[in-house]
Amino acid sequence: NAGVTQTPKFQVLKTGQSMTLQCAQDMNHEYMSWYRQDPGMGLRLIHYSVGAGITDQGEVPNGYNVSRSTTEDFPLRLLSAAPSQTSVYFCASSTRRYGEAFFGQGTRLTVV
Amino acid sequence: AQSVTQLDSQVPVFEEAPVELRCNYSSSVSVYLFWYVQYPNQGLQLLLKYLSGSTLVESINGFEAEFNKSQTSFHLRKPSVHISDTAEYFCAVSGSNNLFFGTGTRLTVIP
Repeated sequence: NAGVTQTPKFQVLKTGQSMTLQCAQDMNHEYMSWYRQDPGMGLRLIHYSVGAGITDQGEVPNGYNVSRSTTEDFPLRLLSAAPSQTSVYFCASSTRRYGEAFFGQGTRLTVV
Repeated sequence: AQSVTQLDSQVPVFEEAPVELRCNYSSSVSVYLFWYVQYPNQGLQLLLKYLSGSTLVESINGFEAEFNKSQTSFHLRKPSVHISDTAEYFCAVSGSNNLFFGTGTRLTVIP
């Protein structure tokens, strides 16, 4: 089983560029989330989805968009990259709201 | 609203010594509690969880945590650590729609 797959693993962007971080899971999980991890701040929720076609904002949604057209995929779009978005991004999925979350390996993004 | 406080950002400990990583939470509703471990350059993996029932929960690699409702704590313990336990550990509490994470504790096991 692949579990949760994130691509790319590393990315460098220039300020103002846009890009999409990909996330796919093969476990038929309803719930999917995007977090960013910054030193000393733990993981902060960006956006989440409780099923195909349903998304909502988390703690730090500004500058990011998401969509959920299928159960498997949950891409995260950076609209106009800023240095403050330099971070490690993690995608996670779970079977239910309070269930165990399975995490991808992360995408390390640097905005210069 | 839910929140999690991990009181120690770094914990160095000698190999085979005991360790306790502290976690306190706040919540106005019933909670589910989790500990995740992150090895270098990897994603987070579930270490153990408390959903209901016995307040003492154990993992397969010797860690245990005790849910203490009166003290709103969920501290992680291991009686004898190994070099391979060096990692960052995150405590998390369930929210209305997702998990809330603490800021993490970096455990370093010294040979």
